[in-house]
Amino acid sequence: DAMVIQNPRYQVTQFGKPVTLSCSQTLNHNVMYWYQQKSSQAPKLLFHYYDKDFNNEADTPDNFQSRRPNTSFCFLDIRSPGLGDAAMYLCATSRDGGVGTDTQYFGPGTRLTVL
Amino acid sequence: AQKVTQAQTEISVVEKEDVTLDCVYETRDTTYYLFWYKQPPSGELVFLIRRNSFDEQNEISGRYSWNFQKSTSSFNFTITASQVVDSAVYFCALSGGGADGLTFGKGTHLIIQP
Repeated sequence: DAMVIQNPRYQVTQFGKPVTLSCSQTLNHNVMYWYQQKSSQAPKLLFHYYDKDFNNEADTPDNFQSRRPNTSFCFLDIRSPGLGDAAMYLCATSRDGGVGTDTQYFGPGTRLTVL
Repeated sequence: AQKVTQAQTEISVVEKEDVTLDCVYETRDTTYYLFWYKQPPSGELVFLIRRNSFDEQNEISGRYSWNFQKSTSSFNFTITASQVVDSAVYFCALSGGGADGLTFGKGTHLIIQP
């Protein structure tokens, strides 16, 4: 049974055309994360939500935004994708921020291509 | 600042050989968590293990074992009797706990040849 679901698995967009990636979870976890992973590199955290509280990493470009309308869903919006934004985007969840409950579970990722 | 170093970019071994993936970390936190994830070609990061900084016991799970040594800031991963299905990129990661993101190493690409 899928626990962290990402749609679509592959997304093609045009340079400058806004795109939205979707993540949903069936784990009822409080925390949801978005990572960007470029080819042959480690995943890099963009931002995360602790419940409704949004936490942006300092070096995340303004071009990247996120929404979390409810516990189950989280969206990644790229307002004006550039060629450098082509990457795998990984969504992850963790139960909460308490000690001993920090394991993050990842979805299958969405591979974004920018033409 | 936290840092994770996986010095081995790629390892290639023949099936049934044992292989160890190295991980060295840096952190100023007194409480922290270490992880290993497997990323097969499909792309999904598969959780393998989590270790708390105050628990230095080594762990074995089937053909997998982990050696955590705070004295050398290392958390190495050994696969015994490797199989072709073990071929993947393996990431070591560090978290300070709380709702923190993970700091990943650059990954080790493990190739198991039949």
